[in-house]
Amino acid sequence: EVQLVESGGGLAQPGGSLRLSCAASGFTFSSYNMNWVRQAPGKGLEWVSYISRTSDTIYYADSVRGRFTVSRDNGKSSLYLQMNSLRAEDTAVYYCVREPGAAVTFDIWGQGTVVTVSS
Amino acid sequence: QSALTQPRSVSGSPGQSVTISCTGTSSDVGGYNYVSWYQKHPGKAPKFIIYDVSKWPSGVPDRFSGSKSGYMASLTISGLRADDEADYYCCSYGNNYRWVFGGGTKLTVL
Repeated sequence: EVQLVESGGGLAQPGGSLRLSCAASGFTFSSYNMNWVRQAPGKGLEWVSYISRTSDTIYYADSVRGRFTVSRDNGKSSLYLQMNSLRAEDTAVYYCVREPGAAVTFDIWGQGTVVTVSS
Repeated sequence: QSALTQPRSVSGSPGQSVTISCTGTSSDVGGYNYVSWYQKHPGKAPKFIIYDVSKWPSGVPDRFSGSKSGYMASLTISGLRADDEADYYCCSYGNNYRWVFGGGTKLTVL
């Protein structure tokens, strides 16, 4: 079964850090570009970051650029999101999302991990 | 990175059809044929139901259809069912910033 499982969410203080992980299974992780997408409470979806299959191309939303860092370890079939200088507005469910190779869309989503930034 | 514009809510009775609009700009919806639609039930992960404006992923019924004209994309759901009640999000590939989502539309099946 194709699956993405996020972990690492929790409570952080403003200005603090968290590292999210996403474990992939059921497919060849190294063959797919990956993204992080988040949803704040009561809000819509927001794309956060993209990383290519070989990590040579990385993009960030303006709202997180300079504070978040995306990375991946193809040997471990894992995706990561290092979140620094956290703000209250970063409070959200964070989803690990796959881009299929043959189409420009998001086809597989994890169940999400909750990040709460509060003092 | 302004969000695409969707109506906050739409509603319809079982068996009827509803259409959800998604308005962007020349930098996203109007510039690319890479509009996707996602269905999201509360507490669940989003599920993609339309990609490349009007294509169906495997397993998605053709009751769901997508289209685009200019800067506006649309999702039409025909033969409404109770389990279609969910939030629907459009998403477009865009210049520079890769992806932009709509604010979401809550579909109520009366």
